[in-house]
Amino acid sequence: GNSVTQMEGPVTLSEEAFLTINCTYTATGYPSLFWYVQYPGEGLQLLLKATKADDKGSNKGFEATYRKETTSFHLEKGSVQVSDSAVYFCALSDRMNYGGSQGNLIFGKGTKLSVKP
Amino acid sequence: DVKVTQSSRYLVKRTGEKVFLECVQDMDHENMFWYRQDPGLGLRLIYFSYDVKMKEKGDIPEGYSVSREKKERFSLILESASTNQTSMYLCASSILISGNTIYFGEGSWLTVV
Repeated sequence: GNSVTQMEGPVTLSEEAFLTINCTYTATGYPSLFWYVQYPGEGLQLLLKATKADDKGSNKGFEATYRKETTSFHLEKGSVQVSDSAVYFCALSDRMNYGGSQGNLIFGKGTKLSVKP
Repeated sequence: DVKVTQSSRYLVKRTGEKVFLECVQDMDHENMFWYRQDPGLGLRLIYFSYDVKMKEKGDIPEGYSVSREKKERFSLILESASTNQTSMYLCASSILISGNTIYFGEGSWLTVV
């Protein structure tokens, strides 16, 4: 079945350091790929998404490119800030054949990022 | 902006109590979901619904039930709460298209003592 594997944390960086959080996936067909972020005490928010191969999603200085050949969707940011401290989840879309419905996401286990001043 | 509202942020319940977690979305989404989030396990799908009165089991439905009497409202029910159901519960919604964004509520922290 479909699955998502992301690097385990926690990841601790100094402010202005370069960030990479690795994410690889296993899927049949052509799923959409997502990064969600969860700030302390909050629910998940969409950070960025890509819907087809070679698409690049970007938001708030974060980027991720949908690489079909390596089945990857690594999250990067050139210069992290203390305010980026959060848990980051990689996810892919899944097809649920319940009455023709579609739309669930398969999530990785999350990577906790801590940025120190 | 899409808004998914969970009625309670923090709850403390006793073992054996019946617990209701309520969720409302304001964007006329067809799909609604209940997830459970635990450290080291990520998010796990409990139940989801793609229409009023329709429900389907997710990965961990045991000990839970759901109700969707109106399109905008999706309730999670713990018939007899147990300590291993202490967790963060996240409600979410989306439109009925694969690959579309899922929108989450802020979460409900449930402690069962």
